[in-house]
Amino acid sequence: GDSVIQMQGQVTLSENDFLFINCTYSTTGYPTLFWYVQYSGEGPQLLLQVTTANNKGSSRGFEATYDKGTTSFHLQKTSVQEIDSAVYYCAMRESGSFNKLTFGAGTRLAVCP
Amino acid sequence: EAAVTQSPRNKVTVTGGNVTLSCRQTNSHNYMYWYRQDTGHGLRLIHYSYGAGNLQIGDVPDGYKATRTTQEDFFLLLELASPSQTSLYFCASSDNERLFFGHGTKLSVL
Repeated sequence: GDSVIQMQGQVTLSENDFLFINCTYSTTGYPTLFWYVQYSGEGPQLLLQVTTANNKGSSRGFEATYDKGTTSFHLQKTSVQEIDSAVYYCAMRESGSFNKLTFGAGTRLAVCP
Repeated sequence: EAAVTQSPRNKVTVTGGNVTLSCRQTNSHNYMYWYRQDTGHGLRLIHYSYGAGNLQIGDVPDGYKATRTTQEDFFLLLELASPSQTSLYFCASSDNERLFFGHGTKLSVL
């Protein structure tokens, strides 16, 4: 079945460090890929999405490229700030799936000042 | 901004108890979802719906029922609650693009 794999449960960085969070996916179809962010005490919210393979999505300084060849959708940011501390989820929606989203396990990012 | 409201925000029950979690959205969205969030598992889909009277089974449906009474209202029912259902539950709605989540309901089953 469809799956989304995030191996990094926790990432700790200092301000201005480079962020890279791994995400790989498995599906037989043509997915749309998302990154959601969840701040403490809130529900997740959309950070960015990419519909077309080999395209890049970007938002608030974050970027992710959908690589169909390696089935990866990594999230990166050049210089993180303390306000970026949150849990980041990779998610996938397969085409024709009644808009069903499958989420990864999440990566908790802690940015120290 | 889209609005999804969950109630209650916190709930404590005992094993075998009967619990109903409520969700209302005022976005006129067709799709609604129930997820549970657990450390190490992320967000797992329990049930979802694409309109009043419709129900789709998610990835972890055992022990849960759901009902979509109107376009706005989606309920999650635990008829015989167990400690393994202690979790943070999120409801979401969608216009077939992004999901809009509520603030969550923290359920503890003792």
